[in-house]
Amino acid sequence: NAGVMQNPRHLVRRRGQEARLRCSPMKGHSHVYWYRQLPEEGLKFMVYLQKENIIDESGMPKERFSAEFPKEGPSILRIQQVVRGDSAAYFCASSRSEGLTGELFFGEGSRLTVL
Amino acid sequence: AQTVTQSQPEMSVQEAETVTLSCTYDTSENNYYLFWYKQPPSRQMILVIRQEAYKQQNATENRFSVNFQKAAKSFSLKISDSQLGDTAMYFCAFMKAASGTYKYIFGTGTRLKVLA
Repeated sequence: NAGVMQNPRHLVRRRGQEARLRCSPMKGHSHVYWYRQLPEEGLKFMVYLQKENIIDESGMPKERFSAEFPKEGPSILRIQQVVRGDSAAYFCASSRSEGLTGELFFGEGSRLTVL
Repeated sequence: AQTVTQSQPEMSVQEAETVTLSCTYDTSENNYYLFWYKQPPSRQMILVIRQEAYKQQNATENRFSVNFQKAAKSFSLKISDSQLGDTAMYFCAFMKAASGTYKYIFGTGTRLKVLA
């Protein structure tokens, strides 16, 4: 059973470009979470999605950031018109709904560098 | 709103010694889960230990154990016989389930360095 898969692992963008980060949850997981981690800092919650629904986006900036988790395919975190302050590691995590053990399974992260 | 506080930004311990990382949280809920996650320099987060709030017995996983004090809202992690591979960031997390949704709150982390 493959773990949470994130790609790309590293992404370099120039200011003003768009960044798309993908996350495929573990098989059987229908809950996806995105977190941002700045260097030497903790995890900051961004958004929580279930299939085709955004459950909680309270941690996501209102502008330039969006997320989706379609019925088919990976979850996508999209950052438009990136700025240097968007440089960070973005982690995706997934969990099951039924038979919940409570554990979040994390991907290896996508490191975004904005030049 | 729930909050999770880790008051120790950095700690160090000699190899083979024991270290305790502290975590406190604030909630009005009665049923919830608590976790400790480890993030080694390779950066992938992995679960260390989990505690269900309705269980009074402290969870243990090999060299890792917790001291769960529900009334005090405290959830400390004890690492016994510390090993160099335990060097990592450790995050305490709180999770509450409600109506089929699950919200996780993470602390700011404690950087642990195990010294040879």
